[in-house]
Amino acid sequence: GQQLNQSPQSMFIQEGEDVSMNCTSSSIFNTWLWYKQDPGEGPVLLIALYKAGELTSNGRLTAQFGITRKDSFLNISASIPSDVGIYFCAGPWRGNEKLTFGTGTRLTIIP
Amino acid sequence: NAGVTQTPKFQVLKTGQSMTLQCAQDMNHNSMYWYRQDPGMGLRLIYYSASEGTTDKGEVPNGYNVSRLNKREFSLRLESAAPSQTSVYFCASSTLGTGTYGYTFGSGTRLTVV
Repeated sequence: GQQLNQSPQSMFIQEGEDVSMNCTSSSIFNTWLWYKQDPGEGPVLLIALYKAGELTSNGRLTAQFGITRKDSFLNISASIPSDVGIYFCAGPWRGNEKLTFGTGTRLTIIP
Repeated sequence: NAGVTQTPKFQVLKTGQSMTLQCAQDMNHNSMYWYRQDPGMGLRLIYYSASEGTTDKGEVPNGYNVSRLNKREFSLRLESAAPSQTSVYFCASSTLGTGTYGYTFGSGTRLTVV
């Protein structure tokens, strides 16, 4: 079944606010990935993390690989309208060729 | 740059009908995948194909069959559709050895079974 749990499930924020979300697992992961899905499209890779404690940025996005290897965090600074969408964490499942995805965090920006 | 192309984009089926979802990639990727997306459930792996000629079950394979027709094409078949198969289906591909971050997704097929 589903191994990755994300919180919060949804967020309603105003433009310009910072956003934080996290992903937790009952199992250790050696790689953590963060994807974003725009409405009506497939997910697109945002950030990949390969080492416990690693902190990686991609523009206004920053992700961290938790020390326990059972969690990961994604922060978005100064949100803008195009940040709207669903954010998924993902990690390798039973080997390195398949990914399991989290339940997703839906981000909505209130005008 | 086409990437991963899925057809059709939308489909409505009656319970018991059959259909095949098509997926093709033009990136010379070895591995291909089928996921379904349901509200609150994230993306769940149905079947995957690590290379041409091989297929394996994922997390939720029941009610589905797949065919890796060649390196480019990977189809998903519903033999007897059920309302529980109402979902958005995504095909993805990746290069062998970089599967953990090299996924490219199609834009999805929205299937409704009534």
